[in-house]
Amino acid sequence: AQKVTQAQTEISVVEKEDVTLDCVYETRDTTYYLFWYKQPPSGELVFLIRRNSFDEQNEISGRYSWNFQKSTSSFNFTITASQVVDSAVYFCALSEARTSGSRLTFGEGTQLTVNP
Amino acid sequence: KAGVTQTPRYLIKTRGQQVTLSCSPISGHRSVSWYQQTPGQGLQFLFEYFSETQRNKGNFPGRFSGRQFSNSRSEMNVSTLELGDSALYLCASSTSRDRPSTDTQYFGPGTRLTVL
Repeated sequence: AQKVTQAQTEISVVEKEDVTLDCVYETRDTTYYLFWYKQPPSGELVFLIRRNSFDEQNEISGRYSWNFQKSTSSFNFTITASQVVDSAVYFCALSEARTSGSRLTFGEGTQLTVNP
Repeated sequence: KAGVTQTPRYLIKTRGQQVTLSCSPISGHRSVSWYQQTPGQGLQFLFEYFSETQRNKGNFPGRFSGRQFSNSRSEMNVSTLELGDSALYLCASSTSRDRPSTDTQYFGPGTRLTVL
């Protein structure tokens, strides 16, 4: 069965610090997709990135970067030069093409607080 | 393009009542999924509808049901409400295709249900 683990429940940093959010996943499927979502206090889940299991290239988008390593089943998310507006709960999620299709399995989430 | 909309945003009910929540997907999206978010259980998949048919279902009791209309709008219904049904109910839509899909899901702001 699929599983996503975000071991860091809460992280607190000072503005401009770099911060990495960890995500470890388990799946038996060979084709799967990994996602990161941001949930600000308003509650809506905001899509950040989608990565398929065949593409291990790291990705950078502005201050955000993602490191996907199949060898360790990890898909970590780094925010460079954090800002107060980055404060939110961040969720890592997994979708399996063969077994669960559209069903997203979420991790527990990491509460990130960026202090001024 | 307008995002996913959910109504109502907040709802207060008492035990034993039933409730209906509504979701309008992004224009052109044919798949609608529902998730329940609680502090104890996190984000859990309820079900997915595509072309007015339920094609994926999570592990929730039969009190939780849904439907999808020809315009892709969806409703979910919870009958005989219990205190434990208090949660944020999130709806997500995706483009999908005529098969179980792992397309990116875009979420609405959620409906916060409180059961007294």
